[in-house]
Amino acid sequence: QKEVEQNSGPLSVPEGAIASLNCTYSDRGSQSFFWYRQYSGKSPELIMSIYSNGDKEDGRFTAQLNKASQYVSLLIRDSQPSDSATYLCAGGGTYKYIFGTGTRLKVLA
Amino acid sequence: ETGVTQTPRHLVMGMTNKKSLKCEQHLGHNAMYWYKQSAKKPLELMFVYSLEERVENNSVPSRFSPECPNSSHLFLHLHTLQPEDSALYLCASSQGISGSYEQYFGPGTRLTVT
Repeated sequence: QKEVEQNSGPLSVPEGAIASLNCTYSDRGSQSFFWYRQYSGKSPELIMSIYSNGDKEDGRFTAQLNKASQYVSLLIRDSQPSDSATYLCAGGGTYKYIFGTGTRLKVLA
Repeated sequence: ETGVTQTPRHLVMGMTNKKSLKCEQHLGHNAMYWYKQSAKKPLELMFVYSLEERVENNSVPSRFSPECPNSSHLFLHLHTLQPEDSALYLCASSQGISGSYEQYFGPGTRLTVT
C-alpha cells in the first residue's frame, strides 16, 4: 500500500528557531510533493510544492526533496507562534494525492 | 467570492435525514475532489471529478452520493448516515487531475451525525 509517513509530534521549538518537519513516502512513482498547513478547526492551506530533487525556498519556508531516499522535508526559519499548526505532507500520484497524518508543530514564545 | 467555498460550514443531522453539501470553486479549475478528514487519520479521498465526469469512487458507501453539474460546482448528497460518518468534509479543486497539480481546499463542512 502506498503511504506517506510523518511523525505526529508535537514538535516543540522556541520562537526564532528553525523547525524541521520530515516526511517519507513509499511510492517511487510520486513525482510531486506538497506541504500544507492546517490550523486547528480549519482546512489545509497550501504552503509549498516541490517537483525536483534539491531545495526550494519561499520566504521563511524551504522544501527539500530527495527522491533516491524517498524523503521530503520542510524547514521553517525564524519560527513564530503563528506557525503553530499541523503540517501535512502529500505525494502526488497519477491523479490523486496520498496524504500523511501530519506533524503538529508548537512554537513556544 | 474567491477560491473554494463550501456550505454549510456546520451541519448536525440525524441518521434518517437527507442533506446536501455544496462546493463552488472560483479558480477556473477543471478537477474537483471530496475528502473526509477524521481525527488521527490521513485525509481520505472520496470522489474525484474531471470536467464533470467522475474518475474516482474510492470505495465510498452508497449513503454518500456526489453530483457535479458543471466544472465549478460539486455536491455531496447525504442520506441515512451513521455516527462514524461525523467528520470534516473538505472540497478541493485543481487545474487538472494529474497529481502534479496543486490542490486548493475550501473551508470544509463540520458534520455531526446524531
